[in-house]
Amino acid sequence: GNSVTQMEGPVTLSEEAFLTINCTYTATGYPSLFWYVQYPGEGLQLLLKATKADDKGSNKGFEATYRKETTSFHLEKGSVQVSDSAVYFCALSGETSGSRLTFGEGTQLTVNP
Amino acid sequence: KAGVTQTPRYLIKTRGQQVTLSCSPISGHRSVSWYQQTPGQGLQFLFEYFSETQRNKGNFPGRFSGRQFSNSRSEMNVSTLELGDSALYLCASRLTESSYNEQFFGPGTRLTVL
Repeated sequence: GNSVTQMEGPVTLSEEAFLTINCTYTATGYPSLFWYVQYPGEGLQLLLKATKADDKGSNKGFEATYRKETTSFHLEKGSVQVSDSAVYFCALSGETSGSRLTFGEGTQLTVNP
Repeated sequence: KAGVTQTPRYLIKTRGQQVTLSCSPISGHRSVSWYQQTPGQGLQFLFEYFSETQRNKGNFPGRFSGRQFSNSRSEMNVSTLELGDSALYLCASRLTESSYNEQFFGPGTRLTVL
């Protein structure tokens, strides 16, 4: 079945540091890939997505590239801010799983001033 | 446009009881999905409804059920509650059942089973 693996957390960075959160997946065919963010006490918000190989999703300074050859979708940001502190989830929607999202474990990011 | 709303936001029940959670999707959205979020199991898919029909179901026991009304509002029910059912239950809506449509999540209902 489909699965998503995220790097172990939590991650603590200083403001303006570079961020990478690793995400790899297992799925048949060509899934769509997503990054969601969850702020304390809130639901999930879609951060970015990519629906085919080599697509780059980007939003609010965050980027992730769909790498079919390495089955990866790593999240990056060049300069993090305190307001980026949240939990980040990598997810996929598979060709054969319909609309259901399969999520990774989530990575807690804390950015200190 | 109003977002996805879930009621109630917090709920405390005891073992053996049953509970009903409600989700109102974004206006015009016809697909509603439910997810369970726990510290141990993470985010797990429960089921999806589209046009009042269950289209997809996750690996949860039959104690978990749901339905969707003609106005696209959805409810999920958990009967004979167990301690392990304590979780944040998230509802998400999308325009249609296509996987290319973005899913918009509500704030969730925090269920505590004592």
